[in-house]
Amino acid sequence: GAGVSQTPSNKVTEKGKYVELRCDPISGHTALYWYRQSLGQGPEFLIYFQGTGAADDSGLPNDRFFAVRPEGSVSTLKIQRTERGDSAVYLCASSRLAGRDEQFFGPGTRLTVL
Amino acid sequence: SQQGEEDPQALSIQEGENATMNCSYKTSINNLQWYRQNSGRGLVHLILIRSNEREKHSGRLRVTLDTSKKSSSLLITASRAADTASYFCATGDPGAGSYQLTFGKGTKLSVIP
Repeated sequence: GAGVSQTPSNKVTEKGKYVELRCDPISGHTALYWYRQSLGQGPEFLIYFQGTGAADDSGLPNDRFFAVRPEGSVSTLKIQRTERGDSAVYLCASSRLAGRDEQFFGPGTRLTVL
Repeated sequence: SQQGEEDPQALSIQEGENATMNCSYKTSINNLQWYRQNSGRGLVHLILIRSNEREKHSGRLRVTLDTSKKSSSLLITASRAADTASYFCATGDPGAGSYQLTFGKGTKLSVIP
């Protein structure tokens, strides 16, 4: 596609529920990143994929968070047993090559945990 | 944790004036990128400057980088109301493979028509 797309654009869920957030990167981009942005803050790194493998998941806050990219393109961020503190905008980005090129961001998914 | 710090936190100017935003960072970098964000959603990439570059231009944007002072500045000339947004600098840390961007808290720019 022309840019990075993310679905859904908004997600409201109840505390304790499971959610999945999807990211469709720019075609041909091998690197994919997830960030989380809380109100009034800059984005914070969560996880980075090179191809199908998670090359660095050091930013994931705890084991309730998990992400996959099974075919090296679309990625899904999964959050189990959601907590109110998980409420944020989740941003996905992709780049042609990791570490050297610009990262292009999607519009984000605004997650609200009630 | 956030490495970069933008200054000022908020800036309000008249249309046609120039806007200057500064960014300071703490560790060594491979590159520094500036992004714009409207209404707290997707970030738009503006410009990337590598650690061996000192200045870069793109349209009405001018970015400088001083690695000795660990600082960068973004200048927007002849500002327009459509430039109203939050602006973030992001650094790629070679110790973290450079792919992990570290963002500041941003500068909120308001351009008054």
